[in-house]
Amino acid sequence: AQSVTQLDSHVSVSEGTPVLLRCNYSSSYSPSLFWYVQHPNKGLQLLLKYTSAATLVKGINGFEAEFKKSETSFHLTKPSAHMSDAAEYFCVVSDRGNNRLAFGKGNQVVVIP
Amino acid sequence: DGGITQSPKYLFRKEGQNVTLSCEQNLNHDAMYWYRQDPGQGLRLIYYSQIVNDFQKGDIAEGYSVSREKKESFPLTVTSAQKNPTAFYLCASSIEGANVLTFGAGSRLTVL
Repeated sequence: AQSVTQLDSHVSVSEGTPVLLRCNYSSSYSPSLFWYVQHPNKGLQLLLKYTSAATLVKGINGFEAEFKKSETSFHLTKPSAHMSDAAEYFCVVSDRGNNRLAFGKGNQVVVIP
Repeated sequence: DGGITQSPKYLFRKEGQNVTLSCEQNLNHDAMYWYRQDPGQGLRLIYYSQIVNDFQKGDIAEGYSVSREKKESFPLTVTSAQKNPTAFYLCASSIEGANVLTFGAGSRLTVL
């Protein structure tokens, strides 16, 4: 079964500095990978997805992620943090063989003015 | 606008009571899902349904029940058998065969 590891459950960044959220996955087949964002007491919103096309994926709000098969990683980055980026971020993996999703435990991002 | 509507947003329940959380979508999606979210735990799948009148248990189905009588609706009942029901519940939907989910805004259940 597929699984996801997100280290650093809480991440603090200063406004205007880069954001890096790390995600490592385990999958038996060629995976699809996703990042979702959740603002307080809201549902999750898709930031970006990887489905075997380009390994560098661009998403909404200036976020991007790079799929590295050799490292089984899909880290999320943004060059410059904004106050509105304060939220929880989830990395998600899905095996091509089924549509079951495995969610990471999330990164809570705090942006310091 | 198309989307998923969950109600109520906040719900309080006494121990021993069943409660039903509503989930309605107007996206014409075939598949619908219920997830439970606890702090620091990520999301865990309770039930999912790929077509009307059919549904499957997820990873933590014990103490929950669902129905799928209409394509648009997938209500979740939290029964008194659920030992620790206080949580944030998220409903989602997707096009059949796709794995990109659209989420509702969630329902927060607190057991007093």
